[in-house]
Amino acid sequence: DVKVTQSSRYLVKRTGEKVFLECVQDMDHENMFWYRQDPGLGLRLIYFSYDVKMKEKGDIPEGYSVSREKKERFSLILESASTNQTSMYLCASSLGLAGIEYEQYFGPGTRLTVT
Amino acid sequence: AQSVTQPDIHITVSEGASLELRCNYSYGATPYLFWYVQSPGQGLQLLLKYFSGDTLVQGIKGFEAEFKRSQSSFNLRKPSVHWSDAAEYFCAVGVALMNYGGSQGNLIFGKGTKLSVKP
Repeated sequence: DVKVTQSSRYLVKRTGEKVFLECVQDMDHENMFWYRQDPGLGLRLIYFSYDVKMKEKGDIPEGYSVSREKKERFSLILESASTNQTSMYLCASSLGLAGIEYEQYFGPGTRLTVT
Repeated sequence: AQSVTQPDIHITVSEGASLELRCNYSYGATPYLFWYVQSPGQGLQLLLKYFSGDTLVQGIKGFEAEFKRSQSSFNLRKPSVHWSDAAEYFCAVGVALMNYGGSQGNLIFGKGTKLSVKP
């Protein structure tokens, strides 16, 4: 079975802190994604990556950056956390052409609270 | 623009009753359609997917969905709901990214339907 793990289930940070959310997948998937989930808004794509060291902006990249130095690991970085970034963050991975041929596999999520 | 609409934000059904969750999509090409389920505090799990062929698709946990091109719909159904089905359900459409010449794609999700089950 595909496994996508996220470094923390719950995280509390202060405004202005730099925050790292880590995601690791164990199935050699090319594609990795970071989403943000908020009540009533569904899932919104922050960034995605189709290859090592490659990244593309999603729908809401402002205030975030990402890093993909190894194929299995995709990190989401909040350079200076703000209270409006309090949310559930979901990582996903897929093999090949995500959404066209292959489904995305999701991690359990990280619930981030910024105070 | 591509989009997915789930008209029902919250549905409550009695245990043992049938269920239908609605999903409408907007996409110019042949759609690739998915239903995911999210239990409280968890990530998303794939229930079923439609790529081509038979328009009635069977999934896990006794769910099925029917693709109707004329209605741009992909509704999820279950004949008899169990208390453990209480969760949030997301419909998604896969779209090709033209800046990659269609060689890469992504998912567009609906806003979700929360299902509550009465005993």
